[in-house]
Amino acid sequence: GQQVMQIPQYQHVQEGEDFTTYCNSSTTLSNIQWYKQRPGGHPVFLIQLVKSGEVKKQKRLTFQFGEAKKNSSLHITATQTTDVGTYFCAGGTGTASKLTFGTGTRLQVTL
Amino acid sequence: DSGVTQTPKHLITATGQRVTLRCSPRSGDLSVYWYQQSLDQGLQFLIQYYNGEERAKGNILERFSAQQFPDLHSELNLSSLELGDSALYFCASSPGAYYNSPLHFGNGTRLTVT
Repeated sequence: GQQVMQIPQYQHVQEGEDFTTYCNSSTTLSNIQWYKQRPGGHPVFLIQLVKSGEVKKQKRLTFQFGEAKKNSSLHITATQTTDVGTYFCAGGTGTASKLTFGTGTRLQVTL
Repeated sequence: DSGVTQTPKHLITATGQRVTLRCSPRSGDLSVYWYQQSLDQGLQFLIQYYNGEERAKGNILERFSAQQFPDLHSELNLSSLELGDSALYFCASSPGAYYNSPLHFGNGTRLTVT
């Protein structure tokens, strides 16, 4: 079945450093969504990408969908302590009417 | 507040027992999804209902079942519980049937099986 892996599993940065998480699918995706889950919280939708090569920005966050639509990345510029949490990508395919969530990247930010 | 309501927040029960988790979707959303998240693990898709009908099935055990009622709320039934079923169970909702709409998650039900 479809698998979606994320790397790294965990990253610890100092406030002000940049952070990137990568999402790789075993199959071509129709769309990819990104979610953030704060410690003790529930996943919250951040963004959706649907086009090959698409890049979207939300303030310090930059999301990219690969040309082959099998990978994606989330880059955070100048991290803040409010960025702490686990970031999940979730991919949808035409053959499976469901989103498959990635394994997640846990981000820890310290002062 | 996502608008998705899950009850109860916490459940503690013994092995072999049966429990029911309840979810009310956001107003206007027709799809309800159930996900299981074990400690420090990702989100495992269990099942999706759209407008009362089962739409997609994931890694849901035979001991688990779900349904969506005419008022669109959903229940997840877990029976013959095992220690390994201890997890956070999330419900999510979306307007349509397909995976191209954002999911709105509830706060989850934390199940502890002792």
